[in-house]
Amino acid sequence: GAVVSQHPSRVICKSGTSVKIECRSLDFQATTMFWYRQFPKQSLMLMATSNEGSKATYEQGVEKDKFLINHASLTLSTLTVTSAHPEDSSFYICSASPGLAAGEQFFGPGTRLTVL
Amino acid sequence: AQSVTQLGSHVSVSEGALVLLRCNYSSSVPPYLFWYVQYPNQGLQLLLKYTSAATLVKGINGFEAEFKKSETSFHLTKPSAHMSDAAEYFCALLEGSQGNLIFGKGTKLSVKP
Repeated sequence: GAVVSQHPSRVICKSGTSVKIECRSLDFQATTMFWYRQFPKQSLMLMATSNEGSKATYEQGVEKDKFLINHASLTLSTLTVTSAHPEDSSFYICSASPGLAAGEQFFGPGTRLTVL
Repeated sequence: AQSVTQLGSHVSVSEGALVLLRCNYSSSVPPYLFWYVQYPNQGLQLLLKYTSAATLVKGINGFEAEFKKSETSFHLTKPSAHMSDAAEYFCALLEGSQGNLIFGKGTKLSVKP
C-alpha cells in the first residue's frame, strides 16, 4: 500500500517549452501533496505544499508563475514548469500525505527534467 | 528556526562493518524525526521514524536510530553493512502545521567488499 507514482520519469525538452509532471497517490487519498526539487548530490528542497481544491503554498524564492501547481483531486497533483530554461533542469520529487499520522509522507520515484 | 545537520557527506565502510550515520537537529518543540534512503534516480523510502514514543526506533533492513534529546541527535546505525546498503541517506525533521519535512544534506554511504 501507500504507493505514489510520477509521470513521466524522465523528460527532455527544449528551452522555452512547458513541461507537466503528474503525481498520483495510487491507493490512498492524499489531503496534502508536496513538491521537492533536488539538485545533483544535494538534498531535497521543498518547493510548495498543496492541498486538494486550494491554492498551493510556495516556499520563499520559488516563482509561483513559473512552477504551476494544481491539486485537482485527492489523488492527483500536477507541477507545470512553464517556459523552461536549462537552469530548471533538476530532479523533481513529489510526496503525498494521507494526513493520518504526523509527518507521514510517501514519495514518488521522481522525474528527471533536462532542458536543452 | 528548525534545522537538520548531517555530519559527513560521505561515509565508507567495509561489508560487515558497523554503519553509523550522524544526524543532529535543532527544534524549539519536541521533534518528529525521520530517516529516508534514496537509491540512484529514485524517490525516497522511509527507513524509520521517531514520533515521541520509544527513543530507540527500529526500521527496515536492519537499521535503527536512537533519539537523544540531551545531544539533540538521531543517529542511524546498522550492526553489519551489506553491499545493498550503498545509497544516499537523509535525515528529516517535521516542520509546520502542514506536515512538511526539513531535510539534511544527505550522507552517501559506500560499502566496500
